[in-house]
Amino acid sequence: ETGVTQTPRHLVMGMTNKKSLKCEQHLGHNAMYWYKQSAKKPLELMFVYNFKEQTENNSVPSRFSPECPNSSHLFLHLHTLQPEDSALYLCASSQGGGDRVGYTFGSGTRLTVV
Amino acid sequence: AQTVTQSQPEMSVQEAETVTLSCTYDTSESDYYLFWYKQPPSRQMILVIRQEAYKQQNATENRFSVNFQKAAKSFSLKISDSQLGDAAMYFCAYRSGSRLTFGEGTQLTVNP
Repeated sequence: ETGVTQTPRHLVMGMTNKKSLKCEQHLGHNAMYWYKQSAKKPLELMFVYNFKEQTENNSVPSRFSPECPNSSHLFLHLHTLQPEDSALYLCASSQGGGDRVGYTFGSGTRLTVV
Repeated sequence: AQTVTQSQPEMSVQEAETVTLSCTYDTSESDYYLFWYKQPPSRQMILVIRQEAYKQQNATENRFSVNFQKAAKSFSLKISDSQLGDAAMYFCAYRSGSRLTFGEGTQLTVNP
């Protein structure tokens, strides 16, 4: 248990489905992140939230919609995904920017789009 | 934009021996942090070691140490007395501000 919890652990969805990924942290961090991890590629930063406000959207398609209702919770809403969106989606948190400590990661959600 | 490069997709080492994983990065900034993360099959990204760019002394954490060459923009990880539990994907990462940029990863196999 690292303090960052992601659910579900695995998700299979059709291209016309709507689903949501959930991330929760109890570390008192004020920044949260979504990363996409595909095979043979570096982790791709998707979204950054600081104090519930989105501060970065790394040119992510609109079929991915993040939501951050408070500093402890982060969601990624998914709709009309494509098979190439299949990947491991990792959530992370940190104590703001400029912090000397790296991020704390969750265990990820393995998403398969069929 | 900052980039991080790990030129070794796969490495292997015999148990109890030493292995070095390579990492280079590109940046125009002078103040930043460097990290090595480990990702075992459980998928959990675990922080192994970190280095502040302003510190000349190489970081050490038990069997893990780094060789930080700021002018060369190189940040290699040395694992001494390798153990079976060290087998994992290792990622080098660069942080400036709130953005953490990762390399492609090196898959480390530890042979008994």
